[in-house]
Amino acid sequence: AQSVTQLGSHVSVSEGALVLLRCNYSSSVPPYLFWYVQYPNQGLQLLLKYTSAATLVKGINGFEAEFKKSETSFHLTKPSAHMSDAAEYFCAVSDRPDSGGSNYKLTFGKGTLLTVNP
Amino acid sequence: DTGVSQDPRHKITKRGQNVTFRCDPISEHNRLYWYRQTLGQGPEFLTYFQNEAQLEKSRLLSDRFSAERPKGSFSTLEIQRTEQGDSAMYLCASSLLAGGIEQYFGPGTRLTVT
Repeated sequence: AQSVTQLGSHVSVSEGALVLLRCNYSSSVPPYLFWYVQYPNQGLQLLLKYTSAATLVKGINGFEAEFKKSETSFHLTKPSAHMSDAAEYFCAVSDRPDSGGSNYKLTFGKGTLLTVNP
Repeated sequence: DTGVSQDPRHKITKRGQNVTFRCDPISEHNRLYWYRQTLGQGPEFLTYFQNEAQLEKSRLLSDRFSAERPKGSFSTLEIQRTEQGDSAMYLCASSLLAGGIEQYFGPGTRLTVT
């Protein structure tokens, strides 16, 4: 079974500082990887996804993530934090179609709450 | 731009009552998913529909839970004899069958069982 580990349930940065949110996955075959953002009392919005093209993936709102197979990691970064980035971030994985009849259901990490200080 | 919609957004019920939630996916999206999110946790998969067929159910989906998607469009999730442990956010997501890697989530229904 797949699993996702997000290191740090809470990350606090200053406005303008680098944002780094960590995600490691456990899967025998590199899965599809996703980062979602959730604002309070709202659903999830997709930030970016990795499906086996370029290992450095650019997403919305200036976020990007790098897939590192050797480290089984997919960390999310943003060079300069904005106040509006304060939210909860979830890393998720799903099976590839060649893994045997995937329905692409997502397995999520526990989330990292990002706080941005003025 | 009509995204995934869910109704109601909030539901407060007493233990033992039945509740039903509705999800309207993005039109033309064949795949539909239900997830449950408890406080401080990531969403957990409950069940998956491809058109009207329910193709997978999580072991989290006890006998008190039932989901339908009768015409392959909207879906309902019913919880019978609610328990306090059912209190959670119930999220619905949809995607395309062809190349449907990205799931689009609705705003969720927050259930509180008193």
